Amino acid sequence: ILNVEQSPQSLHVQEGDSTNFTCSFPSSNFYALHWYRWETAKSPEALFVMTLNGDEKKKGRISATLNTKEGYSYLYIKGSQPEDSATYLCALDGSARQLTFGSGTQLTVLP
Amino acid sequence: NAGVTQTPKFQVLKTGQSMTLQCAQDMNHEYMSWYRQDPGMGLRLIHYSVGAGITDQGEVPNGYNVSRSTTEDFPLRLLSAAPSQTSVYFCASGTGQGQYFGPGTRLTVT
Repeated sequence: ILNVEQSPQSLHVQEGDSTNFTCSFPSSNFYALHWYRWETAKSPEALFVMTLNGDEKKKGRISATLNTKEGYSYLYIKGSQPEDSATYLCALDGSARQLTFGSGTQLTVLP
Repeated sequence: NAGVTQTPKFQVLKTGQSMTLQCAQDMNHEYMSWYRQDPGMGLRLIHYSVGAGITDQGEVPNGYNVSRSTTEDFPLRLLSAAPSQTSVYFCASGTGQGQYFGPGTRLTVT
């Protein structure tokens, strides 16, 4: 079982603030790193999939970076809005597309 | 496309009862999986399948069976429900570019 850790566990920011959170994983066992956004009472939605060291992906105000050598990925949100409030999950694809999820970072953006 | 559909949305079982959670996808994905979501535990993989006729165990397979007779369907069977199986169950299908999740089934075992 791979150990995928996310920090912080929860985060409150003011509207307009930029923020970031971390996903750590064992660098020796890596195929791809996934980020998902999970709103309350909905299903997780895929944000990014990254496979190469140094990958950077961007979707609107949200971006992510990947360092496979040291085993971490950062998710950044620029100018947070209340609609960004959600739990952000990362998941490691170690082999055969068997995803191991972290426990998530719960973001609350205060108006 | 309907995407990934799950039925039922809610279910209450008594200890010892059996039932099947249904999952179907219309995106022709080879990969399908079942997760359970418990407070503070994130999503944990129960079983997964990389194609019709092929299934394998995930992190928490005990008490569950799966089969994959078609590409579209991936049912999850609870053989003899226990209170520890009270959870929200998500089915997902996808490719190497990410997974699409169903709406979830909230199961309570009393």
